[in-house]
Amino acid sequence: SQQGEEDPQALSIQEGENATMNCSYKTSINNLQWYRQNSGRGLVHLILIRSNEREKHSGRLRVTLDTSKKSSSLLITASRAADTASYFCAVANAGGTSYGKLTFGQGTILTVHP
Amino acid sequence: DAGVIQSPRHEVTEMGQEVTLRCKPISGHNSLFWYRQTMMRGLELLIYFNNNVPIDDSGMPEDRFSAKMPNASFSTLKIQPSEPRDSAVYFCASSPHRAGELFFGEGSRLTVL
Repeated sequence: SQQGEEDPQALSIQEGENATMNCSYKTSINNLQWYRQNSGRGLVHLILIRSNEREKHSGRLRVTLDTSKKSSSLLITASRAADTASYFCAVANAGGTSYGKLTFGQGTILTVHP
Repeated sequence: DAGVIQSPRHEVTEMGQEVTLRCKPISGHNSLFWYRQTMMRGLELLIYFNNNVPIDDSGMPEDRFSAKMPNASFSTLKIQPSEPRDSAVYFCASSPHRAGELFFGEGSRLTVL
């Protein structure tokens, strides 16, 4: 089963608005990553946040991580029509023989209307 | 630099046939992952390698699936015999190190009739 669970499953907003997506997971992690997938394409890495970090920024992206709640959120500010895509969180196992195993959530489909 | 290269991009085959999907990771990357993506099940991790050694193959559906990584620059995923339920997009991804960011190929879309 997928370790990351995301909500909402779909999000529809207007250009210029902010979009927030959430991810929850179940076990100890080394890091949590967010990816974007345009229709018919491979996934593209957006940002990685380590288990000892609480917040990270990259351009219009802001990611938070709460390890006590085993949850993360991705905020896209001032959204654009070009941000329309599916967004996935992925968790990297913390240790043991499966260290580095990266499993994905079901994703959030974001639609940004011009 | 070339990214992760997968072939074929599209494959249509009949039930019972053998299917081989190929992947060339980014040079210097030492972790390689195979995922399968369907609408119903999302992105499933099938197997991943580190330094050409399979680390976790618990996601491989059954004995019909096998994966190899004979060297650092090449991996294959084989399905024999194929079944209609294997229809999916299969992604290969590589990473410069364990637990690092993944670089995905464009995927191989498999249709089994």
